[in-house]
This record gives sequence, C-alpha cells and structure tokens, in this order.
Amino acid sequence: GDSVTQTEGPVTVSESESLIINCTYSATSIAYPNLFWYVRYPGEGLQLLLKVITAGQKGSSRGFEATYNKETTSFHLQKASVQESDSAVYYCALGDHGGTGSKLSFGKGAKLTVSP
Amino acid sequence: EAAVTQSPRSKVAVTGGKVTLSCHQTNNHDYMYWYRQDTGHGLRLIHYSYVADSTEKGDIPDGYKASRPSQENFSLILELASLSQTAVYFCASRDWASQNTLYFGAGTRLSVL
Repeated sequence: GDSVTQTEGPVTVSESESLIINCTYSATSIAYPNLFWYVRYPGEGLQLLLKVITAGQKGSSRGFEATYNKETTSFHLQKASVQESDSAVYYCALGDHGGTGSKLSFGKGAKLTVSP
Repeated sequence: EAAVTQSPRSKVAVTGGKVTLSCHQTNNHDYMYWYRQDTGHGLRLIHYSYVADSTEKGDIPDGYKASRPSQENFSLILELASLSQTAVYFCASRDWASQNTLYFGAGTRLSVL
C-alpha cells in the first residue's frame, strides 16, 4: 500500500541550529504522488506547512524547505536556523491528485522541541 | 480564516457506552474527514464525506459510524465504545479543488475506561 516513514520524535535542537526531519514514501497505488508537510502547534489542529506536487520541485514556507526526490522517494524537511516558536509536531504526508475519494497517508509525526 | 471546530475537546467514556464526536466547519468545504491518532501511529482515516447525507468508509471504519446531516456538520459515532478506541480524533475539511490541503480541528482526546 501507500505509506510514509519519517523521523520519529522527540527531536531536540538548540535555537539557531539547523534541522532535518527525514521522510521517505512508498506510493504503490498513486501514479503521481503529491507530498506534504503538516505541522501541529500545541493546542491547535494540524495545518499545512508546505506541499509539492511535481517531482524535482522544492517547496518552502516559514524558512522550511523540502525537495520532492522521486529517485530516492524522499521528501526531507529542512531548516537552516530554527527558532523556539518552531516547536511543534511535524507530519509528512502522501496523497494523490485530490479528487473524489482522495485521501492522505500520514507519517507518525516528529515532535520537535527547540531549546533556547 | 478557515475554521473547523470539534466538540468535545476531551471525553472520558465507559466501555460499551455510546460516544458522539462532533465537527463543525465554516469553510463551505465539500469534503470532511475523521482521523484517529494513536501513540506510535500516523493519522488513520476512519470515515469521510464529500457531500451532505452521504458518508464513505476510510481505512479503519470498523466500530465507527459517521453522519453528515449538512455541509457544515460531520459526526463520528461510537455505538459501543471499547478500550481500543482510546485515541485522539481529528476532523478535517477541504475544498474539492485544493489538492489535499486539509484544514484540521484541534482534536478530541477520547479515553475509554
């Protein structure tokens, strides 16, 4: 089936250090996978951080970046310098084109704690 | 601002009892979803709906029913709650054209004792 494997938390990083959260996917039933990073801040629901629907492209938002690599089936999330406000749970997700019956497959989530 | 609100935010239920989780969205979105998350698992899809008065089974529908009486409201019903249904439940909505950009509620923490 379709699945996502990602770095599992907790991940602890000091403020201003770099971050990478790994994500690999397996898309057996999706011809053209779309890839997503969602983030859940404390007390809130998940929200879309970034998405990329074309292999080889890079998505970016709030200083985070992720490149859709079809060859390695990866979509790692990176940030050059994290802030305390980035502390949250990060979920990698895999989906199709988004039509009727479309659904996302989520990773387990990685809890990031940024220490001051 | 898109808004999905879930109620209650937390609940303690007894085994064998009936539990109803409610979700209301003001996004005017067609699609609505119910996911659950357990420790050590990603979000798993229970039921979803793409039009009022119709629901579809997701990946793990057993033990759950869903109801979509209007575009704005989507409920998840546990007729006979069991210990294994202890989890955090998330409701989400999306527009038909948004390519899987989901808007989530804050979640309901359900403990079945």
